[in-house]
Amino acid sequence: DSGVTQTPKHLITATGQRVTLRCSPRSGDLSVYWYQQSLDQGLQFLIQYYNGEERAKGNILERFSAQQFPDLHSELNLSSLELGDSALYFCASSLYGQGGETQYFGPGTRLLVL
Amino acid sequence: GDSVTQMEGPVTLSEEAFLTINCTYTATGYPSLFWYVQYPGEGLQLLLKATKADDKGSNKGFEATYRKETTSFHLEKGSVQVSDSAVYFCALSDWDQAGTALIFGKGTTLSVSS
Repeated sequence: DSGVTQTPKHLITATGQRVTLRCSPRSGDLSVYWYQQSLDQGLQFLIQYYNGEERAKGNILERFSAQQFPDLHSELNLSSLELGDSALYFCASSLYGQGGETQYFGPGTRLLVL
Repeated sequence: GDSVTQMEGPVTLSEEAFLTINCTYTATGYPSLFWYVQYPGEGLQLLLKATKADDKGSNKGFEATYRKETTSFHLEKGSVQVSDSAVYFCALSDWDQAGTALIFGKGTTLSVSS
């Protein structure tokens, strides 16, 4: 158990809908990362937060947004969903969000868009 | 930009065979290198890491050495077990436009039979 929790585990929704994925980092970790894993794109970085502030953006679509709250949990919002958004979404956390730190991954949320 | 290339799978071995999974990287700075493992239906777990050239990471019988001259971080294990069957990801973390996000290879599926 990495100490990172993600809810829900599974999500089935329809095209055009909006969903929110939630992540609680390991106790004490200040930085949260979101990744998308799909068969065709592999594991791709979406966005990083550190202590409530956005630190870096990767291949995140404009339809997607995220935030990190004062209690350090994070939410990833996916809107106007398309079939191609079906994927496994992982949250990871690390202590200070610095290079070389181990990132601890949650179990993921599997999103299926029908 | 930074990238990671790892050997395509699947790799199929018999129990107690020697394992090598090749990984090479391209980076503009001084990256840290990681091997993560993903068991079926689970999130990613750190297997080992190395933060500077010539460092050797090791864990559970797995080893990898950070070779700057060949930009490589090959994963090895002397005697694999059925329980090692999983997907293995090579990754790097560097201070660049993507902050400290992990950049992953496509993953190598290992299947070990008894």
